Amino acid sequence: AQSVTQLDSQVPVFEEAPVELRCNYSSSVSVYLFWYVQYPNQGLQLLLKYLSGSTLVKGINGFEAEFNKSQTSFHLRKPSVHISDTAEYFCAVTLTGTASKLTFGTGTRLQVTL
Amino acid sequence: GAVVSQHPSWVICKSGTSVKIECRSLDFQATTMFWYRQFPKQSLMLMATSNEGSKATYEQGVEKDKFLINHASLTLSTLTVTSAHPEDSSFYICSAGISGRPDTQYFGPGTRLTVL
Repeated sequence: AQSVTQLDSQVPVFEEAPVELRCNYSSSVSVYLFWYVQYPNQGLQLLLKYLSGSTLVKGINGFEAEFNKSQTSFHLRKPSVHISDTAEYFCAVTLTGTASKLTFGTGTRLQVTL
Repeated sequence: GAVVSQHPSWVICKSGTSVKIECRSLDFQATTMFWYRQFPKQSLMLMATSNEGSKATYEQGVEKDKFLINHASLTLSTLTVTSAHPEDSSFYICSAGISGRPDTQYFGPGTRLTVL
């Protein structure tokens, strides 16, 4: 079975600073990888996804992530964060070629301050 | 992008009553719908997967008689929490997708259930 680890439960950062949210996964077979953002009392919004091809994936709101197969990682980055980026971020995986059953990490709370 | 709605967005009920939550895909046909549960400051836990016209597949540890899922059409799935108790209080989120397309899962806004 696949699993996802988000080691950082909280990441505080000042506005306009760069940020990296870490995600590592474990799976014996190929996976698809996703990053979602959740604002308070709301559902999940897809930031970006890796299915195949280029390992650098660009998403919405200026976020990008890089798939590293050898390190089984899919870290999320943004060069300059804004106050509005304050939210919970979830990394998720699903097996390729199957129904879309997602396995989520425990989430990282990004707190952006002035 | 695709839109998934949930109704109600929040509900408060008394212990022992049943509550129905609707999940609708508004602009596409969802062959598969998923129901998740999220406790405060925690991740999403998959409860069950439902395919249109067939019985739902429940995850281990989820009581199928307590959490009734119906996926009667390609645009509507319902979750009924029967005989609700305070420990059922949670944030319930549905998602809708197309079977075999893992990149097409879209999430609803969630329903906050509080059982008194």
